[in-house]
Amino acid sequence: QSVLTQPPSASGTPGQRVTISCSGSSSNIGSNYVYWYQQLPGTAPKLLIYRNNQRPSGVPDRFSGSKSGTSASLAISGLRSEDEADYYCAAWDDSLSGLFGGGTKLTVL
Amino acid sequence: QVQLVQSGSELKKPGASVKVSCKASGYTFTSYAMNWVRQAPGQGLEWMGWINTNTGNPTYAQGFTGRFVFSLDTSVSTAYLQISSLKAEDTAVYYCARATTTVVTPEYPDWGQGTLVTVSS
Repeated sequence: QSVLTQPPSASGTPGQRVTISCSGSSSNIGSNYVYWYQQLPGTAPKLLIYRNNQRPSGVPDRFSGSKSGTSASLAISGLRSEDEADYYCAAWDDSLSGLFGGGTKLTVL
Repeated sequence: QVQLVQSGSELKKPGASVKVSCKASGYTFTSYAMNWVRQAPGQGLEWMGWINTNTGNPTYAQGFTGRFVFSLDTSVSTAYLQISSLKAEDTAVYYCARATTTVVTPEYPDWGQGTLVTVSS
């Protein structure tokens, strides 16, 4: 059971907007930055969002992140088939530990 | 460009040891912390800990103390993960991941390709 809670699955049709939530606590999301990773099947994770809402160069602006209190969200607009992947949130915890969410499998219908 | 190249898949028997390597290139190795992340088959990502590449000081996450050892050879820009007394539940893909500072953060812009360690009799 992950300390950062994500829905196990999400889905949408091409062109739709999908959001994935990540719920934590005051010792992690509430007091530290949130990061998002995309993992395509059979590949290493890729940094998608850093410091709550920043995109690394090369990440399309269809991907956006937000944080409020002890929760965070990843939004994907203009959904494409190539967005089908597992998505993980991550944050530092004040207990001196890195945390990943349990992951959300996104299906593009 | 930054590259992290890990050693190949391993098949080990219970009780044996394994050492996974992560060779870095394209940046100053001692300027950025190296993290290790585990992913069991069909499961999510799990942070194992990190090693300060400047001092060599390792920090282990809960659940990864005792049998897990992080080490470095800065002369060849390589980080190592050694697991001893292997158990079936250690079967997983192990990733090295470079941080963006000398100390630990969950921000990993660069990852190795992963090393599958299979523990089976």
